Amino acid sequence: EVQLVQSGAEVKKPGESLKISCKGSGYSFTSYWIGWVRQMPGKGLEWMGIIYPGDSDTRYSPSFQGQVTISADKSISTAYLQWSSLKASDTAMYYCARQKYGSGRSPLDYWGQGTLVTVSS
Amino acid sequence: EIVLTQSPGTLSLSPGERATLSCRASQSVSSSYLAWYQQKPGQAPRLLIYGASSRATGIPDRFSGSGSGTDFTLTISRLEPEDFAVYYCQQYGSSLCSFGQGTKLEIK
Repeated sequence: EVQLVQSGAEVKKPGESLKISCKGSGYSFTSYWIGWVRQMPGKGLEWMGIIYPGDSDTRYSPSFQGQVTISADKSISTAYLQWSSLKASDTAMYYCARQKYGSGRSPLDYWGQGTLVTVSS
Repeated sequence: EIVLTQSPGTLSLSPGERATLSCRASQSVSSSYLAWYQQKPGQAPRLLIYGASSRATGIPDRFSGSGSGTDFTLTISRLEPEDFAVYYCQQYGSSLCSFGQGTKLEIK
């Protein structure tokens, strides 16, 4: 069974750093792109970027380029989303999701449960 | 970046009625790389439709997708109580994916 399990909720102060995780199981982790999606409170879905764990090829939405870093450690089947200096506007639910097909362009068919990040002084 | 605009923002219907949701792209979506997702409160999104018209695994046949180019539609033939949720379209035809802003389907 394909599963993506995300790390738990975080409460941070502005200016702090953070790295959240997404562990894949039940499939070949290195063969499928993993994407990250932001959902601010009461708002819609925003595509942040995507990584291919096999070779760490990464693409970012222009809106998030330079604001976050997406990475992966294929030895432990885990993808990451990190911030070097959080802002209050980073408060949101963050989802990881797997692309349906291993290559080419495809939708997101398996989703993590989400990680709630709260940034407040 | 392709911008997706969904309409209406909110759709109020009763169980048993037909729902028609629209998604319009700012430029043509190549090869109909258009998906629809359903999201209920407190849950992660769920893939319903991909390739504009293919149902994902386990999705009831009352859900159907159509369209090409810049205009796409999600139709729910007869609404069940569990269908009331927020629906998002997503294009994945370019290297930079994007979502629409969502349509909330609420009980009238």
